[in-house]
Amino acid sequence: QQQVKQSPQSLIVQKGGISIINCAYENTAFDYFPWYQQFPGKGPALLIAIRPDVSEKKEGRFTISFNKSAKQFSLHIMDSQPGDSATYFCAASMKSTGNQFYFGTGTSLTVIP
Amino acid sequence: GAVVSQHPSRVICKSGTSVKIECRSLDFQATTMFWYRQFPKQSLMLMATSNEGSKATYEQGVEKDKFLINHASLTLSTLTVTSAHPEDSSFYICSAGQTGGGFRGYTFGSGTRLTVV
Repeated sequence: QQQVKQSPQSLIVQKGGISIINCAYENTAFDYFPWYQQFPGKGPALLIAIRPDVSEKKEGRFTISFNKSAKQFSLHIMDSQPGDSATYFCAASMKSTGNQFYFGTGTSLTVIP
Repeated sequence: GAVVSQHPSRVICKSGTSVKIECRSLDFQATTMFWYRQFPKQSLMLMATSNEGSKATYEQGVEKDKFLINHASLTLSTLTVTSAHPEDSSFYICSAGQTGGGFRGYTFGSGTRLTVV
C-alpha cells in the first residue's frame, strides 16, 4: 500500500518556467513532510520540509504548499533551471513509527534550456 | 550541516562472495540509521532500520541472513550482502538522523552501486 502518492511521474519544463509536483497522503498522523532531490548515481538530498501547522514554506526558488484538509502537499520550483533536472521525491513521517520515511514514487524533472 | 559518508560508492563482486557497505555519520551521533535499496527509475525501498546496540529491524520480505546489518556505534552502521547473486545488484543507500533536539529529518549517504557478476 502506497502511503504517499506522487504525481506526475515525469515532467518537462522550459527554462524559467514553474515546475509543480504534487503528493497526497492518507494518514493524518504524519507530522513531517520533506522533499528530496536526487541526481543520477547519488543519494537524495533534502531540499525543503514542512510541518502540518504551516500552509506554506519558501526557501529561495523552492516552495512547499501544504493543504492539511485535502491531505495534499506540493513542491513548486520557480524560475526552473537546467540544473534542476533531477528526480524529486516527496516523503512523510510520523513520530509513532520512529519517524520512518514513507516515500512517494518520484518525479523525473527535465528542464529544457 | 549533518554529513553522512557511505563507502564504497561502487563495488563489483563475484557471485557467491560477500560485500560490506559502511555508513558513517561524520559530525553527529545517530541512534538510528536506515538502509534502502533503489532500483533504476524507482523510489527508495526501505530494507531495515538499524538501531545502535541492538538488532536491526527488517522490513517484510527482506532476508536478514542475506543482508546483515551491524550498528556497533553511534556513528557507524554496516550492511553486508552475503553470498551475493546477480539479482542483488542494485543501488544501496543509507540515511541517518540526529538524536536529540527534536526530529529534523534524515541525511542520506551518497549511495553504493553494487554489481554482482
